[in-house]
Amino acid sequence: EPEVTQTPSHQVTQMGQEVILRCVPISNHLYFYWYRQILGQKVEFLVSFYNNEISEKSEIFDDQFSVERPDGSNFTLKIRSTKLEDSAMYFCASRVTGGTEAFFGQGTRLTVV
Amino acid sequence: AQRVTQPEKLLSVFKGAPVELKCNYSYSGSPELFWYVQYSRQRLQLLLRHISRESIKGFTADLNKGETSFHLKKPFAQEEDSAMYYCAPLDSGGSNYKLTFGKGTLLTVNP
Repeated sequence: EPEVTQTPSHQVTQMGQEVILRCVPISNHLYFYWYRQILGQKVEFLVSFYNNEISEKSEIFDDQFSVERPDGSNFTLKIRSTKLEDSAMYFCASRVTGGTEAFFGQGTRLTVV
Repeated sequence: AQRVTQPEKLLSVFKGAPVELKCNYSYSGSPELFWYVQYSRQRLQLLLRHISRESIKGFTADLNKGETSFHLKKPFAQEEDSAMYYCAPLDSGGSNYKLTFGKGTLLTVNP
C-alpha cells in the first residue's frame, strides 16, 4: 500500500541553523500539507500546497518557513533560522484530488538545541 | 473561531468494557468530521469519518448536530485499541481541506 514517507525521522540542529524536512507524498496525490505537534500539545496545521503554490497557511507559518516541491516526488519544509520553540514533530500529509482523507507520514522529530 | 474539544486527555478501561471518547466541536457550517488514530510508533491514520457511517474495528461515531458532538464508541474494548485518538473536523473552505485536530485522548485498554 502506498505511503507518505518522511526523512529524516529525527533531526537535531543548533538554534539559528537552517533545516529542511523532506517528504515524499503518495504518487497520484496533488494536495500536500505540513502539520506540527509540539510535545504535549495538539497537532496544528501549518500549510497546504497545491499546483506548486501555497493555498493556505496558518499564523505559525511565518517568514522563517517555506515549502517547495523541487521535483515531481519531493515536498520539503524549510525552516530558515531555527528557534528553540520550533522543536516539534512535523507531519507531512497528502490527499488525492476529490478525496477528503489525508494520508500522513510517520513524522520527523525536530529538536533545536 | 473553529474549535474542537476532547475533554479527556487520558482514558483507561479494562478489556471487554465499553469505551467512549468524547469530542465536541464548534464550527461554522457543516463540517465533515473524522477520527484519526495513532498507535504506538505508527503514523496518524484515519479511523472513521461521519459521512460514511461505517464501523471500523468495532468503533462507531455518531454526529449529533444539536449537541455538536462526535463521540467515538466501542462496546467491548480490546487491548489492541490502546492508542492516541484525535477528533478532527475538516475545514473544506475552498479546496484546501485542512484538518483541525483536538488535543487527543490516550486510550489504554488494560488486560
